Amino acid sequence: NAGVTQTPKFRVLKTGQSMTLLCAQDMNHEYMYWYRQDPGMGLRLIHYSVGEGTTAKGEVPDGYNVSRLKKQNFLLGLESAAPSQTSVYFCASSYNRKGDTEAFFGQGTRLTVV
Amino acid sequence: EDQVTQSPEALRLQEGESSSLNCSYTVSGLRGLFWYRQDPGKGPEFLFTLYSAGEEKEKERLKATLTKKESFLHITAPKPEDSATYLCAVYGGSQGNLIFGKGTKLSVKP
Repeated sequence: NAGVTQTPKFRVLKTGQSMTLLCAQDMNHEYMYWYRQDPGMGLRLIHYSVGEGTTAKGEVPDGYNVSRLKKQNFLLGLESAAPSQTSVYFCASSYNRKGDTEAFFGQGTRLTVV
Repeated sequence: EDQVTQSPEALRLQEGESSSLNCSYTVSGLRGLFWYRQDPGKGPEFLFTLYSAGEEKEKERLKATLTKKESFLHITAPKPEDSATYLCAVYGGSQGNLIFGKGTKLSVKP
């Protein structure tokens, strides 16, 4: 059982470069999320999706874009990377948001912007 | 403002020394409170879900409880393999998303 898979696991970018992080889930979940985790800040929601073809902004969306063209995939894009986007990024998915089901997380992508 | 606060930030225990971690929350329309465990370099791993005040759940040496304003994660006779960061999260608020606390880093020494 793969669960939630993130690629790549590590990446170093130069300021101004662009990249896309891929998240894939095999649990047929409707809801998918992108978080970033910084020391002392906890997990903060960047964007989320409540179904194929939908996206919505979370707590810290600036500088990021997302797409959910297929139900199983959720892409996070950085158009022009900045050092402030150095972080560990986690993708998660859940069956619903009614509180009776947990979110499953990927292993994370460690991104460094120099 | 919806908020989740965990204390302490870090906790050092000797093997076998029981203790508790706290998670206090202020959120409109709580739908559920979650505890996760996170090991270094890995994603959070689900432990428990609690829905209503008075509810308790147990798993091995861990027991989670919930009141109207806070949750406790009790660790009984911990072992070094219990060392991890424990995250508390709640579903609720205006957007109905999962809101995380900053976590408690637990270290258990043999």
